[in-house]
Amino acid sequence: NAGVTQTPKFQVLKTGQSMTLQCAQDMNHEYMSWYRQDPGMGLRLIHYSVGAGITDQGEVPNGYNVSRSTTEDFPLRLLSAAPSQTSVYFCASSYRRNTEAFFGQGTRLTVV
Amino acid sequence: QQQVKQSPQSLIVQKGGISIINCAYENTAFDYFPWYQQFPGKGPALLIAIRPDVSEKKEGRFTISFNKSAKQFSLHIMDSQPGDSATYFCAASDNFNKFYFGSGTKLNVKP
Repeated sequence: NAGVTQTPKFQVLKTGQSMTLQCAQDMNHEYMSWYRQDPGMGLRLIHYSVGAGITDQGEVPNGYNVSRSTTEDFPLRLLSAAPSQTSVYFCASSYRRNTEAFFGQGTRLTVV
Repeated sequence: QQQVKQSPQSLIVQKGGISIINCAYENTAFDYFPWYQQFPGKGPALLIAIRPDVSEKKEGRFTISFNKSAKQFSLHIMDSQPGDSATYFCAASDNFNKFYFGSGTKLNVKP
């Protein structure tokens, strides 16, 4: 039982490049979310999903896309990376509404 | 505008002392209030959580106090230990399971 797995752990991108951050969970959780963590700002919700095929925007969705084709996977796509997207990204999953969210180890992204 | 406001930003406590972190919110639709603990290089992990129908919840040395009328909640860490040194985040979630986090409190427990 691996929990929530994020890949890669570190990534450096050039401005304008695109990439996908991977997130997978093996706990059969319906709810999955993506957050970014910036110093002094806590974690901010980017996108979330309440089940396969269902996604919605969080607080800071601009510049990011998501899809949820399976229960296990919830990838986050950066369409055209900008320096403002330099951050640590966390994926989380939970079994149902308002229960414990399990977080991955994070992806540290630097856009130069 | 930050939905959940957390204070203090940092806290230094002596071993054996009490650590207190406070949070306030505005949205009365929030119905779940967890606290997360994060160590450097790791993802946050749930510490303790409360729902608005109770005013206090205790788990070991950790207690959440919840004041629904004031829209405030706080984390108390009794008998603080050096191993408790970490960053703590309060959070609140709404009907759609959207979580809003406070800005974090970096706790340093001095031996």
